[in-house]
Amino acid sequence: DAGVIQSPRHEVTEMGQEVTLRCKPISGHNSLFWYRQTMMRGLELLIYFNNNVPIDDSGMPEDRFSAKMPNASFSTLKIQPSEPRDSAVYFCASSFGGGSNQPQHFGDGTRLSIL
Amino acid sequence: AQTVTQSQPEMSVQEAETVTLSCTYDTSESDYYLFWYKQPPSRQMILVIRQEAYKQQNATENRFSVNFQKAAKSFSLKISDSQLGDAAMYFCACAGGTSYGKLTFGQGTILTVHP
Repeated sequence: DAGVIQSPRHEVTEMGQEVTLRCKPISGHNSLFWYRQTMMRGLELLIYFNNNVPIDDSGMPEDRFSAKMPNASFSTLKIQPSEPRDSAVYFCASSFGGGSNQPQHFGDGTRLSIL
Repeated sequence: AQTVTQSQPEMSVQEAETVTLSCTYDTSESDYYLFWYKQPPSRQMILVIRQEAYKQQNATENRFSVNFQKAAKSFSLKISDSQLGDAAMYFCACAGGTSYGKLTFGQGTILTVHP
């Protein structure tokens, strides 16, 4: 079975550019999570969706960040304009059912470098 | 809200020996779930083991087991017969029962396995 698929695996871009990270959750999973991992702050939840609806976006750092889930099989995380402090590994994860007892399955992450 | 603390930034173990990684947590919820995730250098996030807080019996998955002390809010991971492939960063995480699976992670423990 295919796991959570993220693209691109690596992204290097210049400050001020728009960045779009993509995620395809596991088929049948109806909860989707975006996390950011940095050395300073560890793993932080940015936003999560249940049945394509954003439930909690309180972790989104500022208005430059936005996330969408137009359908059950696709989500994007967009940063516009990007800044060097946005450099991090961004993970997408999905789970079934929306309950906390369900384990989350993670993608391989996107390593983002903003120059 | 949850907080998770891993007080050991680094641990090391000899191959075939046993090692225990510590984790303490705090939550205001009566129903919650605890997880250990492994992150090898490839940066994948791999679920190792999970524990439902309402279960008194400690979870076990092959060489991995937990010591869940609910009153002390402690959730340690024991790795028996350590293997070189166990070398990774290990994260403890907590999800409250009402949080749609939103994970709060600890800071992580780097485990080195010596041959």
